[in-house]
Amino acid sequence: EVQLVEAGGGLAPRGGSLRLSCAASGFTVRSSFLTWVRQAPGKGLEWVSVIYSGDYSGGNTYYADSVKGRFTISRDNSRNTLYLQMNSLRAEDTAVYYCARLRGYSYGTAFTNDYWGQGTLVTVSS
Amino acid sequence: DIQMTQSPSSLSASVGDRITITCRASQSISTYLNWYQQKPGKAPNLLIYGASSLESGVPSRFSGSGSGTDFTLTITSLQPEDFATYFCQQSFSTPLFTFGPGTKVDI
Repeated sequence: EVQLVEAGGGLAPRGGSLRLSCAASGFTVRSSFLTWVRQAPGKGLEWVSVIYSGDYSGGNTYYADSVKGRFTISRDNSRNTLYLQMNSLRAEDTAVYYCARLRGYSYGTAFTNDYWGQGTLVTVSS
Repeated sequence: DIQMTQSPSSLSASVGDRITITCRASQSISTYLNWYQQKPGKAPNLLIYGASSLESGVPSRFSGSGSGTDFTLTITSLQPEDFATYFCQQSFSTPLFTFGPGTKVDI
């Protein structure tokens, strides 16, 4: 059974840092496309970052403009875990952060988030 | 960047109703469109991918259609557990797949 379990959220000062983790089971993170998506209180979903499969796509990483240069997505294949290092935190980074797996379809030309973690709340104090 | 809009932003319905939610992309995205359901305090749940393909385990009262820039999610015979917020997402513009703002369905 595929499961994703996030941890590491909490209260951080403005300008501070947090590292989120997402422990995966039922599949290998090394072979998967994985994303972080966040949701500010009472708001919609915002795509934050993606890491491509290390096996097939070189493990490339991409970021939303709102977090570029401050956040870093990575994975530890030995722990089967995804991470999001968040630095220089701002009040607007306050949100529930979800990790989610991307599943390809249409011969890998399209993707959908098929499994999501339960989310972890990050609060940046102002 | 591709912008996604949804209408209505909220709607009130009753059990047994048929409802339709619309999602529009700022440019053509072929059929690279996903729909998710989210209940309060929970993670989103995949309903439809590829504009019209029903995810395994999702009830058949959910259906999706559309291509290009205009898409719809239809729920026939609304059930109590369907009251939630629905989001569309484009996966045409890699690598960042933007979401629509959501449509809240309540009683």
